[in-house]
Amino acid sequence: DAKTTQPTSMDCAEGRAANLPCNHSTISGNEYVYWYRQIHSQGPQYIIHGLKNNETNEMASLIITEDRKSSTLILPHATLRDTAVYYCIVRVGGVTGGGNKLTFGTGTQLKVEL
Amino acid sequence: NAGVTQTPKFQVLKTGQSMTLQCAQDMNHNSMYWYRQDPGMGLRLIYYSASEGTTDKGEVPNGYNVSRLNKREFSLRLESAAPSQTSVYFCASMRQVSYNEQFFGPGTRLTVL
Repeated sequence: DAKTTQPTSMDCAEGRAANLPCNHSTISGNEYVYWYRQIHSQGPQYIIHGLKNNETNEMASLIITEDRKSSTLILPHATLRDTAVYYCIVRVGGVTGGGNKLTFGTGTQLKVEL
Repeated sequence: NAGVTQTPKFQVLKTGQSMTLQCAQDMNHNSMYWYRQDPGMGLRLIYYSASEGTTDKGEVPNGYNVSRLNKREFSLRLESAAPSQTSVYFCASMRQVSYNEQFFGPGTRLTVL
């Protein structure tokens, strides 16, 4: 699986959009970009995933560059409850011999403040 | 649905003691996983079970054993605990045909003295 690079930490004002970048310059054609978050000491929570098109769900939007070497997770109206560590993970999609494992890096600590 | 449940929530062991961490899911998922998370680090995969009856090593399997008891339950055993195994342990499950989302339990906080 391709490796990812994320900033260690970011701050965001409550009510503003939080834009979390991720670099995955070695991503291959069959690898998806996944985002998870981990709110203090809890188990990680799935947010969104995509292959090459931009994706949106009730939690966030995912923007993937045309060359797929980087992506941005957007929380449109961040709240204090969005304070968490956000993990960008690149992985081959579908059922594989590896059993759909996730490889977590250290992620980005997002702090949403008043 | 309770989702993924883990027991116990907290545990303190002495070096050399053994214990089993329990994990169960009620979502009829095929795949189950055990991760550990050390302070300030991301999660690392210990073992996984892609389907009932199969188990495979992950990134850091040494010192652990697992049992996929049935489709619902996946246990992690420490035969002889060491201080290096002090960590938070997370269990997760995933529906095999849907490769999008793993569901995580609340974690077990283990301290080995």
